[in-house]
Amino acid sequence: GAVVSQHPSRVICKSGTSVKIECRSLDFQATTMFWYRQFPKQSLMLMATSNEGSKATYEQGVEKDKFLINHASLTLSTLTVTSAHPEDSSFYICSARDFSRVGNEQFFGPGTRLTVL
Amino acid sequence: AQSVTQLGSHVSVSEGALVLLRCNYSSSVPPYLFWYVQYPNQGLQLLLKYTTGATLVKGINGFEAEFKKSETSFHLTKPSAHMSDAAEYFCAVSDRNSGYALNFGKGTSLLVTP
Repeated sequence: GAVVSQHPSRVICKSGTSVKIECRSLDFQATTMFWYRQFPKQSLMLMATSNEGSKATYEQGVEKDKFLINHASLTLSTLTVTSAHPEDSSFYICSARDFSRVGNEQFFGPGTRLTVL
Repeated sequence: AQSVTQLGSHVSVSEGALVLLRCNYSSSVPPYLFWYVQYPNQGLQLLLKYTTGATLVKGINGFEAEFKKSETSFHLTKPSAHMSDAAEYFCAVSDRNSGYALNFGKGTSLLVTP
């Protein structure tokens, strides 16, 4: 149980295009999902907290108009990178919080590798 | 504000030797503490976690960690390293003040030599 999927796993796009990444909790309901960004050889940095049915909360320095987050259902959150540029190339990882478990454990998706040419 | 410090960005051990990865945290409220492992180009896998109760926590693959409040530490250990343990390890902390979002350390790359 507690599986989180991400789609796509890898995407290459041209500069100026928009890319949508999906994060799904497959066997539990997740009222809260988190989006992280990881640069090569570095740690994960929290970008935003996504709550079902409400606006996402963005961390300081993260452009909300650049990284659009939608959490329309209890099992799906999407991250759209708008007008992508090469500096947006990164590994994006989502996690979903399972409130039914002690400690509100988060489960991570396998990540999406975005390359902007 | 909470934070995590992992001492040593790279740790090298011989196969069969003790693994010790250090993690210190700061949190103004009782923390939840986690260790994750990441293999190249993959997501994170939970090794173990501390929420409440017993301070010595046993995880998967023979790893364990001990929560020491007085030292604000949560070091990860394994008695005998395997080649398959070579990976990136992240310590993370969360608490209610952060909405339970995870705050990660910078990571420690574990190299296991034959």
